[in-house]
Amino acid sequence: QVQLVESGGGVVQPGGSLRLSCAASGFTFSSYGMHWVRQAPGKGLEWVAFIRYDGSNKYYADSVKGRFTISRDNSKNTLYLQMNSLRAEDTAVYYCAKEMGVAFVSDYWGQGTLVTVSS
Amino acid sequence: EIVMTQSPATLSVSPGERATLSCRASQSVSSNLAWYQQKPGQAPRLLIYGASTRATGIPARFSGSGSGTEFTLTISSLQSEDFAVYYCQQYNNWWTFGQGTKVEIK
Repeated sequence: QVQLVESGGGVVQPGGSLRLSCAASGFTFSSYGMHWVRQAPGKGLEWVAFIRYDGSNKYYADSVKGRFTISRDNSKNTLYLQMNSLRAEDTAVYYCAKEMGVAFVSDYWGQGTLVTVSS
Repeated sequence: EIVMTQSPATLSVSPGERATLSCRASQSVSSNLAWYQQKPGQAPRLLIYGASTRATGIPARFSGSGSGTEFTLTISSLQSEDFAVYYCQQYNNWWTFGQGTKVEIK
């Protein structure tokens, strides 16, 4: 069965960096685009970034453009999110999500990893 | 950016009753509209895509309708496991989500 397991969250000071990972299994990772979505505590969902199945194209929300980098290693079935210049407003649970294929939505999501930006 | 507005913010419904949730887009998204369910401490779960197509394994009591800018999610007879927060999402131009509708027990 499809599994997505995020890791790498934690507490970081403003201006700091963190790299999140999402380990995928149960499907052909190299055939699907992948998303990062975040959810601030008690708030709604915010799309962060998307990467095509082969890593050829990457897209970002304006709120993270220039600070975050999405990448993938298809040989390791792993998705990454490098987060630099972190701000308090980046505090959230970060989910990775698999592109469905027949529609540009996600049919599987990980359980999320919490990133807290605080001094 | 396409802004998605959901109403109401909270819906109080008794088990077995019908629930109707609304979602409005700031500009047309055609039928590129999805609905997700989220329970506390859990990831979102895809319910509906293409405005009206149920995702795999989703019970028939969930139905979606609409196109353009106005969309509706209907839960025909609420079960205990349906009390949750529901988000609409447009995917016509990247992704944006509504702010969510909480369906609570009346």
